[in-house]
Amino acid sequence: DAMVIQNPRYQVTQFGKPVTLSCSQTLNHNVMYWYQQKSSQAPKLLFHYYDKDFNNEADTPDNFQSRRPNTSFCFLDIRSPGLGDAAMYLCATSNLLAGETDTQYFGPGTRLTVL
Amino acid sequence: GNSVTQMEGPVTLSEEAFLTINCTYTATGYPSLFWYVQYPGEGLQLLLKATKADDKGSNKGFEATYRKETTSFHLEKGSVQVSDSAVYFCALTGGGGSNYKLTFGKGTLLTVNP
Repeated sequence: DAMVIQNPRYQVTQFGKPVTLSCSQTLNHNVMYWYQQKSSQAPKLLFHYYDKDFNNEADTPDNFQSRRPNTSFCFLDIRSPGLGDAAMYLCATSNLLAGETDTQYFGPGTRLTVL
Repeated sequence: GNSVTQMEGPVTLSEEAFLTINCTYTATGYPSLFWYVQYPGEGLQLLLKATKADDKGSNKGFEATYRKETTSFHLEKGSVQVSDSAVYFCALTGGGGSNYKLTFGKGTLLTVNP
C-alpha cells in the first residue's frame, strides 16, 4: 500500500544533542510537510517542501531545519533540542497542483523525548 | 485569515449512541473541508472531506455535509463504537488562504464506553 512512513516511532535525545527524524513516502507526492504537535493541541506547521522548494513558516525557530534529498525522503533536523521541543513530529504529503487545494496524508509520527 | 472552531470536548458517549461534533469555519471563498481522526499515540488519518458546497463526505459510518450558508461541517455518526474513541480534528485549506496550509480546530476528544 502507498503510504507515509516515519522512523523512528520513538526517539529519545539529550538536551542540546542534535537529532534527525526521517520521513519517506511511496505516494510520489510533490509536497512534504513537517508538523509539531504538543500534547492536547492541534498540529503546528513548521515548514514544507514543494518539490525542491523549501518554505519555512515565519514562526518556526532556527533550531529546526529540513532536507529533502529526493522526492521520497524528507528529514527534520533539530540542531540543539531543548526541553520545549519534546513533542510528536508528524510528516505529511500531498499532491498539490498549482491553483488547487489538495489532501494531506499523514505518517504515524515520531514521539521525541528530550532528557 | 481562516479559522476553524469546533466543539469543545471531551465528549463521552455510550456504545451505539448518536454522535455530533460541531465545526464552523471562517474563510473567504470556498475552502476545502476535512475531518481527521487521531488515535492515541498515532498520526492523523483522513476521515472524510468535502471540496464544495453541499458535498457530503462519508467514511466508516461518519458523515459531514459542507454547508456554505451556515459555514459549518458538522461530523455525525449514527451509532458509535468503542473503537471510535479518538481525537477528531476539523480542518480547512484554501478559501482565500493558502492552498497548502491546513487550518485546524483545537480537536475534540471522544470517549466511547461499552
